[in-house]
Amino acid sequence: AQKVTQAQTEISVVEKEDVTLDCVYETRDTTYYLFWYKQPPSGELVFLIRRNSFDEQNEISGRYSWNFQKSTSSFNFTITASQVVDSAVYFCALRGFNYGQNFVFGPGTRLSVLP
Amino acid sequence: DTEVTQTPKHLVMGMTNKKSLKCEQHMGHRAMYWYKQKAKKPPELMFVYSYEKLSINESVPSRFSPECPNSSLLNLHLHALQPEDSALYLCASSQRSRMGGGYGYTFGSGTRLTVV
Repeated sequence: AQKVTQAQTEISVVEKEDVTLDCVYETRDTTYYLFWYKQPPSGELVFLIRRNSFDEQNEISGRYSWNFQKSTSSFNFTITASQVVDSAVYFCALRGFNYGQNFVFGPGTRLSVLP
Repeated sequence: DTEVTQTPKHLVMGMTNKKSLKCEQHMGHRAMYWYKQKAKKPPELMFVYSYEKLSINESVPSRFSPECPNSSLLNLHLHALQPEDSALYLCASSQRSRMGGGYGYTFGSGTRLTVV
């Protein structure tokens, strides 16, 4: 079975602080994909990043960075110098390679960045 | 155009009403999806359309009836809903029709439905 855990239900930080959102996943697939989505109050799910199971390189995109470690089945997301606009619910998701496999979403982490 | 457009943004309906949610994309995507999201929960898949044909129905009650009139348009017809059906309904599309794999979905901003 596949499962995604986001242990942090809610996080509050003050603007300009760094914050890391944790994601731990379970799967028996050897080929799989990991995603992060952002859901602001407006409702849409905004795609942030996709990683396949064979690519453990960490990635940085502006203030965002991702740390993928297969050894610990984790795909953590760090926001550097957080801003109020980063306030949203963040979902980590897993999807297998085979046909018919849907997203398995984590429960989400609500991030509040206070001015 | 890289968007999925959903209308209406908000909908309040009575339990005896019939209403429809609309979703439109002009990215040439061949798969479209309906998700239901309750408050403080992740989205849950309801239906998948692949090349305008229903390919997956996740055991959704018949009071929800999807329709895909063409490759750009997806509707969700609602009839005799219950208050517990109140939720955010999200539409998504993807370039490929195969559900697994690494390609991403483009999500709309959703319709917030309240059943009274």
